[in-house]
Amino acid sequence: GENVEQHPSTLSVQEGDSAVIKCTYSDSASNYFPWYKQELGKGPQLIIDIRSNVGEKKDQRIAVTLNKTAKHFSLHITETQPEDSAVYFCAALNAGGTSYGKLTFGQGTILTVHP
Amino acid sequence: GAGVSQSPSNKVTEKGKDVELRCDPISGHTALYWYRQSLGQGLEFLIYFQGNSAPDKSGLPSDRFSAERTGGSVSTLTIQRTQQEDSAVYLCASSPGAGAGGDFGAGTRLSVL
Repeated sequence: GENVEQHPSTLSVQEGDSAVIKCTYSDSASNYFPWYKQELGKGPQLIIDIRSNVGEKKDQRIAVTLNKTAKHFSLHITETQPEDSAVYFCAALNAGGTSYGKLTFGQGTILTVHP
Repeated sequence: GAGVSQSPSNKVTEKGKDVELRCDPISGHTALYWYRQSLGQGLEFLIYFQGNSAPDKSGLPSDRFSAERTGGSVSTLTIQRTQQEDSAVYLCASSPGAGAGGDFGAGTRLSVL
């Protein structure tokens, strides 16, 4: 089955700096890669996603890049703000396989943005 | 509109008791998922429902765990003879179809004493 590794487990930055979180996946058939933000006491919230037919996607201060050959994808947050502090999860899914719909998550990154 | 709703938000039970956790998905979403999140851990897939198809139960950790989805809408996750290691946050998500990330509920925090 799919295995997703996420690094770093914790990340501390100053407000205004950039933050990068990286994930690798094992199943070359995976073709959908969402990123979730989870605040304390809440469920994960989808913040951005990318499908395997594109290499990069951007939405205001967040962007995701995908390298299918190397089987890794990254989340980039620019101009970080204290409200970006949360746990971030990457995930991978094979949208056309037998495990259709089954997301495999990374272990999460605790991002702390210091004012 | 209303998001995914889970109840109860917190559940404390004694070891050996059965518990039922409820999920109300977003109206019209055909796909529904259950995940488990242990303290400081990532999300572990439990079970997936898509329309009228047979559910993918491959993530259920033991036969004490079962889930059903009635009328293609509300889902109930049942844990029989709870054990302390069942303590976790149980998250439900729904999506318009398969192949998408899904919208998550706030979860049910289960504590087995």
